[in-house]
Amino acid sequence: GDSVTQMEGPVTLSEEAFLTINCTYTATGYPSLFWYVQYPGEGLQLLLKATKADDKGSNKGFEATYRKETTSFHLEKGSVQVSDSAVYFCALSGKAAGNKLTFGGGTRVLVKP
Amino acid sequence: NAGVMQNPRHLVRRRGQEARLRCSPMKGHSHVYWYRQLPEEGLKFMVYLQKENIIDESGMPKERFSAEFPKEGPSILRIQQVVRGDSAAYFCASSPGTGEETQYFGPGTRLLVL
Repeated sequence: GDSVTQMEGPVTLSEEAFLTINCTYTATGYPSLFWYVQYPGEGLQLLLKATKADDKGSNKGFEATYRKETTSFHLEKGSVQVSDSAVYFCALSGKAAGNKLTFGGGTRVLVKP
Repeated sequence: NAGVMQNPRHLVRRRGQEARLRCSPMKGHSHVYWYRQLPEEGLKFMVYLQKENIIDESGMPKERFSAEFPKEGPSILRIQQVVRGDSAAYFCASSPGTGEETQYFGPGTRLLVL
């Protein structure tokens, strides 16, 4: 079945540091890929997505590129802020799975001033 | 997650009681998904519904759990005879169902079973 593996946290960074969160997947066919962010006590917010190979999703300074050859969708941000402290979830969905989302385990990021 | 409404936000039940969780999708969305997030874990798919139909319930526990999405009104996730292991955050998401597959999440219901 489909699966998503992302790096375990917590990841602790200083403000303005470079952030990378690795995400790899296993899926049938050509899934769409997503990054969601969850702030403390809240629901999930869509951060960015990519629907086909080589697409780059971007939002709020975050980027991720759909790499079919390495089955990866790593999240990056060049200069993090304290407000980026949250849990980040990589996810995939595919029509073969009825569009249900399969999530990675989440990576907690803590940015210190 | 703008527009997807869930209530209650917090629910406390004693073992053996029933829990009813409600989800109103975004306006114009006809597809609803329920996910469960256990403490310190990722989200796990439970069930996918369209109006008056259960499309995929492969993630639902076989007993005590049920879901519906009636023609009128919100989607309901019902847990009968709750046990402590049911304590979790339950999230609802909706999508338009027109080929746009992005799901938009509600704020969740945090269930605590005493």
